[in-house]
Amino acid sequence: SQTIHQWPATLVQPVGSPLSLECTVEGTSNPNLYWYRQAAGRGLQLLFYSVGIGQISSEVPQNLSASRPQDRQFILSSKKLLLSDSGFYLCAWAGGQAQPQHFGDGTRLSIL
Amino acid sequence: GDSVTQMEGPVTLSEEAFLTINCTYTATGYPSLFWYVQYPGEGLQLLLKATKADDKGSNKGFEATYRKETTSFHLEKGSVQVSDSAVYFCALSRGGSARQLTFGSGTQLTVLP
Repeated sequence: SQTIHQWPATLVQPVGSPLSLECTVEGTSNPNLYWYRQAAGRGLQLLFYSVGIGQISSEVPQNLSASRPQDRQFILSSKKLLLSDSGFYLCAWAGGQAQPQHFGDGTRLSIL
Repeated sequence: GDSVTQMEGPVTLSEEAFLTINCTYTATGYPSLFWYVQYPGEGLQLLLKATKADDKGSNKGFEATYRKETTSFHLEKGSVQVSDSAVYFCALSRGGSARQLTFGSGTQLTVLP
């Protein structure tokens, strides 16, 4: 069966520091991959998605970037974090047509 | 563009009460519809889905019917439990290569014993 892993689960970073969040999927090949952010008490905002290795689409301009160095690995990065980057970051994957997205457990990021 | 409108929360019910969380959507074509649930501190879990008009998705006592004539996908449960306390998200997908989801804003449900 397919599984999705995100790490770390919790992260506290100072303003201006770099960021790297990792997401990996097991048990499937060529999945679509997604990064979302959920601000406290609010809905989900799609940040990036990828339909294949090296293919990244950005939904919202910001100081974050994403990369997909391998088929089942999706990385969210920043060179310099802002206070507004605080939130709950969720990775998700999807398989074939009309199939739902499946989410990881999330990373809670706090910027000090 | 696509959009999903959910009943605003928070919703507070007593155990064994009947639950309805309204969801309506705007989209071209024939989207797939989903309900996700998020328990405190966790990621989202797929609760149920429907991929075409008049389909009924069901899981764990929850049900939702895809109503194209009213563009709705209301979530119902006949008797809620304390363990159902969570945030519920309605979402749609129009498919395509990206298979992006458009989410509603979420509805917080609290069930009291």
